[in-house]
Amino acid sequence: GAVVSQHPSWVICKSGTSVKIECRSLDFQATTMFWYRQFPKQSLMLMATSNEGSKATYEQGVEKDKFLINHASLTLSTLTVTSAHPEDSSFYICSALTSGRGGTQYFGPGTRLTVL
Amino acid sequence: EDQVTQSPEALRLQEGESSSLNCSYTVSGLRGLFWYRQDPGKGPEFLFTLYSAGEEKEKERLKATLTKKESFLHITAPKPEDSATYLCAVQAGGGYNKLIFGAGTRLAVHP
Repeated sequence: GAVVSQHPSWVICKSGTSVKIECRSLDFQATTMFWYRQFPKQSLMLMATSNEGSKATYEQGVEKDKFLINHASLTLSTLTVTSAHPEDSSFYICSALTSGRGGTQYFGPGTRLTVL
Repeated sequence: EDQVTQSPEALRLQEGESSSLNCSYTVSGLRGLFWYRQDPGKGPEFLFTLYSAGEEKEKERLKATLTKKESFLHITAPKPEDSATYLCAVQAGGGYNKLIFGAGTRLAVHP
């Protein structure tokens, strides 16, 4: 199956700092990747759709200036949480879309962000 | 509005006790229905995609079925390692690739 990695798997930072999370499709190319956020015992909440070579599309209520997304290649998308605050602490998960009939989203292992 | 509802919210089974999880959906132009398994602290793991009513797919102890209004994930003779949250998601029409997720069913299988 298709493999997606994320780095780091967990990060702790101080309030006001910025944190970058990388999402890589290891064995396939993905023109589209997605970024989700998940709170404890809740389902995934889509934050944004990332398309290679173009600007990301953000879901309603997601601050694009706070959550910067860059999709510079067919195998790498990055999410930067700028000026992080404790309320940004969460589990962030990316997915990469395969090609073919509608495509299938394969998910990374997630990144646990804790802002002190 | 596109919507996905999963039931039950939580399910506790004895090892070997078969059961089914339900995923009801309302969506404009279903392009695909997806089942994922998620273990605590990990990303979802892809299980199945179903595209049209009447379609069925199987993998080990799991079998997914699809009608025009709902999908079932049947678990036959479950084992403790099947314990996880099972997520259902739909991909709607309109040229978008977004998935709309249900809240999930937390399954616990006890020996």
